Amino acid sequence: GQQLNQSPQSMFIQEGEDVSMNCTSSSIFNTWLWYKQDPGEGPVLLIALYKAGELTSNGRLTAQFGITRKDSFLNISASIPSDVGIYFCAGRSGGSNYKLTFGKGTLLTVNP
Amino acid sequence: KAGVTQTPRYLIKTRGQQVTLSCSPISGHRSVSWYQQTPGQGLQFLFEYFSETQRNKGNFPGRFSGRQFSNSRSEMNVSTLELGDSALYLCASSPGGQALAYEQYFGPGTRLTVT
Repeated sequence: GQQLNQSPQSMFIQEGEDVSMNCTSSSIFNTWLWYKQDPGEGPVLLIALYKAGELTSNGRLTAQFGITRKDSFLNISASIPSDVGIYFCAGRSGGSNYKLTFGKGTLLTVNP
Repeated sequence: KAGVTQTPRYLIKTRGQQVTLSCSPISGHRSVSWYQQTPGQGLQFLFEYFSETQRNKGNFPGRFSGRQFSNSRSEMNVSTLELGDSALYLCASSPGGQALAYEQYFGPGTRLTVT
């Protein structure tokens, strides 16, 4: 089946630093989504990407849909304490398949 | 708009029992998907419903079933509970049409503990 490799598994950074995380797939995806999950809550959609090469920003967050359609990147600039949480990538393969395949997540800790 | 709501938020059941979880999607959303989240396996897709029909199904045993009502609300049922069914069950809704069909918005989840 489809697999998503998300890295790094965890990051511990200082407030104000920039952060990068990425996901790679064993197969092509038509859609990439990035989510953030806080403890005890459901994932919150951050950014959605629909075209290979697409670069999209949401405030301090920027995500890119890799041109090979097998990877995606999320960058967070000037991190702040409330960025703490687990970040997930998710991909959809295409056609009438509405199933999302999720990465294992990146746990981000920000030291004030 | 109100977000996705799930009830109950917490549930404790005994092995062998059955359980029903409920999800109310965002108003106007017609697609509802269910996911199981565990520390070991992460987020795994269970099934997706659109207009009361199951459109997609994950690789879970037949003990896991669901349905969707005409108002798009959905329920998920797990029969003959096993210890390994302990997890956070998440419901996500999306518009379901061609545009933005794949942007799924999650509820807070139901934490199920099987003892």
